[in-house]
Amino acid sequence: KAGVTQTPRYLIKTRGQQVTLSCSPISGHRSVSWYQQTPGQGLQFLFEYFSETQRNKGNFPGRFSGRQFSNSRSEMNVSTLELGDSALYLCASSRSGGRTGELFFGEGSRLTVL
Amino acid sequence: QQPVQSPQAVILREGEDAVINCSSSKALYSVHWYRQKHGEAPVFLMILLKGGEQKGHDKISASFNEKKQQSSLYLTASQLSYSGTYFCGTDEGDTDKLIFGTGTRLQVFP
Repeated sequence: KAGVTQTPRYLIKTRGQQVTLSCSPISGHRSVSWYQQTPGQGLQFLFEYFSETQRNKGNFPGRFSGRQFSNSRSEMNVSTLELGDSALYLCASSRSGGRTGELFFGEGSRLTVL
Repeated sequence: QQPVQSPQAVILREGEDAVINCSSSKALYSVHWYRQKHGEAPVFLMILLKGGEQKGHDKISASFNEKKQQSSLYLTASQLSYSGTYFCGTDEGDTDKLIFGTGTRLQVFP
């Protein structure tokens, strides 16, 4: 059974640019959650999508957005990048949501903003 | 509200025991534990539900004290493979969000 796939794995951007990250969940999983991981901050919740609808949102500015497609694949976008956006962005899929079941994480997309 | 984990770091010799604590200022519906090895994705260990029993996973077990809004992860007779960062995730019940703590880094040496 294929795991959660995130692309790209690594990317470098400059301040002011925008970036789009992609996440393909495990087949049959309808929930996709996004987390930002930085040293010392742990895993910060960005948002969760379920059946193409944003079900929950964390405390991030509006520059962070996401969407989910009918095949459950999800993308997140960060506009007007800032140096502080440098982080590992993790996507996690589950059948019904992380609070009720196991989350399966991808290996992440490591974003460096220069 | 991000849960607080303690200690922030633990260094052990093989065979020693460790306890990692997770506490929240809010009432919890459930507590989740994950382990992330260096350079890898976090991996699920267990979920503890309100009103549920203590869980176990090989020599790793956990408890959930609902009244104190705390959970503890117990690692018994640690092995080299236990090394990694442990995260607790809490669910307050009134939102559908799973919020993780800042992690506890565990290193096991021979």
